[in-house]
Amino acid sequence: EPEVTQTPSHQVTQMGQEVILRCVPISNHLYFYWYRQILGQKVEFLVSFYNNEISEKSEIFDDQFSVERPDGSNFTLKIRSTKLEDSAMYFCASGLLRQGNQPQHFGDGTRLSIL
Amino acid sequence: GDSVTQMEGPVTLSEEAFLTINCTYTATGYPSLFWYVQYPGEGLQLLLKATKADDKGSNKGFEATYRKETTSFHLEKGSVQVSDSAVYFCALTDSGGSNYKLTFGKGTLLTVNP
Repeated sequence: EPEVTQTPSHQVTQMGQEVILRCVPISNHLYFYWYRQILGQKVEFLVSFYNNEISEKSEIFDDQFSVERPDGSNFTLKIRSTKLEDSAMYFCASGLLRQGNQPQHFGDGTRLSIL
Repeated sequence: GDSVTQMEGPVTLSEEAFLTINCTYTATGYPSLFWYVQYPGEGLQLLLKATKADDKGSNKGFEATYRKETTSFHLEKGSVQVSDSAVYFCALTDSGGSNYKLTFGKGTLLTVNP
């Protein structure tokens, strides 16, 4: 069964550094998402992406965040200048259809640790 | 805005015990409801879903019924196994919003002992 893959599984970065989290969505999916989960808290929506542009973003997704689909297969989340509070598990998800009753498929996540 | 409230964990049960994890929601539109499961070291997997009132989602012996009148979607299983040990997330997508982003509850850690 096709799956969403995320790399790396764990990223350790110094505060203030840039980090890029990578995702390969399921190949025929059209809608892409990033979520994050701070330890002990809810999984939170960050951003959705369709047709090479952001379709919705949350308040969390400020100017230090950006997303890109550079080559038609990868979907990346960049954090420009990391802060301690960016430490979290980041999940990528993809969906074939933009319908509320269709499930999103998730990767295994990248654990980001900011020192 | 939309929100999901689920039972605080952790929940510890013996094998073959009955499981209930409570989930209630608030939504501006008519949501679709989901349970996702996260096994240790893995990502979120869809467990079951229900898209309209009184629908029952079921999978792997788990069930949940969409109750519009009580805005609930409680997860149940009649006889849990050790392999069911995982974190369970209740979630919704709201037809009143755009892009159908998922709104999650905090997750409930279930541990099943042999």
